[in-house]
Amino acid sequence: EPEVTQTPSHQVTQMGQEVILRCVPISNHLYFYWYRQILGQKVEFLVSFYNNEISEKSEIFDDQFSVERPDGSNFTLKIRSTKLEDSAMYFCAMGQGAEDTQYFGPGTRLTVL
Amino acid sequence: GNSVTQMEGPVTLSEEAFLTINCTYTATGYPSLFWYVQYPGEGLQLLLKATKADDKGSNKGFEATYRKETTSFHLEKGSVQVSDSAVYFCALSDEADKLIFGTGTRLQVFP
Repeated sequence: EPEVTQTPSHQVTQMGQEVILRCVPISNHLYFYWYRQILGQKVEFLVSFYNNEISEKSEIFDDQFSVERPDGSNFTLKIRSTKLEDSAMYFCAMGQGAEDTQYFGPGTRLTVL
Repeated sequence: GNSVTQMEGPVTLSEEAFLTINCTYTATGYPSLFWYVQYPGEGLQLLLKATKADDKGSNKGFEATYRKETTSFHLEKGSVQVSDSAVYFCALSDEADKLIFGTGTRLQVFP
């Protein structure tokens, strides 16, 4: 199984601060996704990204969120002004094709104080 | 809309017992179906998948069959081990390619 890497593993921030979560791409996997899991709840889709564009986003992915992959490097999720309710585990996932299996990273635990 | 429903947990079993975790889905079209497993403190790992009706996915002794007539994808294992203790998520991949997950079922296996 391809190994997806995410950094940091844990991020603690103050409410209102900006955070950037990173995901290291694996070769031949060009479809990128972010999901989140609030403690004890189900995993929820945030956004999908292909060819430097957002393919789809959920209602959760509001104007405070953005994604990018500058120059083919790390795939990032930015939360512009964090809120308490943004505290969750954020998972990056990648796939080789639009209908291919998605492989998940170990997650970044975001704690907003 | 598309959705996945899983049986509530926790499921508590003794080692070597038979495991069934129920999963049913609602979807337009013909989604691919997945089981992911989350071990304590870790991320999601793909356990098995099936892409069309009557396909059986299998891995590490776990099996699930894509049943279109009952819209189900139940996870089974003939003899569980303590090391199988984890949270199991059923999911489908919709036409927009995103994964829709069930709520997860916690499995606890005791020696």
